[in-house]
Amino acid sequence: GAVVSQHPSRVICKSGTSVKIECRSLDFQATTMFWYRQFPKQSLMLMATSNEGSKATYEQGVEKDKFLINHASLTLSTLTVTSAHPEDSSFYICSARRAIDRPQHFGDGTRLSIL
Amino acid sequence: GQQLNQSPQSMFIQEGEDVSMNCTSSSIFNTWLWYKQDPGEGPVLLIALYKAGELTSNGRLTAQFGITRKDSFLNISASIPSDVGIYFCAGQLKTGGNKLVFGAGTILRVKS
Repeated sequence: GAVVSQHPSRVICKSGTSVKIECRSLDFQATTMFWYRQFPKQSLMLMATSNEGSKATYEQGVEKDKFLINHASLTLSTLTVTSAHPEDSSFYICSARRAIDRPQHFGDGTRLSIL
Repeated sequence: GQQLNQSPQSMFIQEGEDVSMNCTSSSIFNTWLWYKQDPGEGPVLLIALYKAGELTSNGRLTAQFGITRKDSFLNISASIPSDVGIYFCAGQLKTGGNKLVFGAGTILRVKS
């Protein structure tokens, strides 16, 4: 089946540092990857859509300079949280899909804690 | 924007019982998906529905795509302890790059 790997699974770092999260599709090429944020006991909130070789499309209210997305290949997208602060602490999840009419498959998420 | 109303919000059932949850919307979707999320992990795809009226099973799970394309239900038969988790419905629109719109989730607890 479709497998999406996300790394790291957990990050704890000091305020002001930048954190990079990787999302890889292991057994398929993903034309599009997505980045979500999830707060405790809430649903997934889409942050941005990442297409290979082009700029990411950010949802309203998401700062593109804060959350840098790079989709350099058909199997890898990265999310960098720049100058992270405690309010950026959250569960970040990526997903990938083979084609526009295929379902999204999710990574296992990254728990980000900013002290 | 588009919204999915998912119910119930939570369920606490006896092992062996059947479970039913549903999602409705005022918007029309071209695909309905059901995911299960365990604590600290990402959602796992359970069932994908592509055609209005489609009824699909995956083991003890059965889901249907409503005729109007505005609703879907998920049934779990003979629940077992490992069914515990959060179940999300998600609708996919043709417009806007086929993004997913998620329901708020149904928390399922099973009493053994």
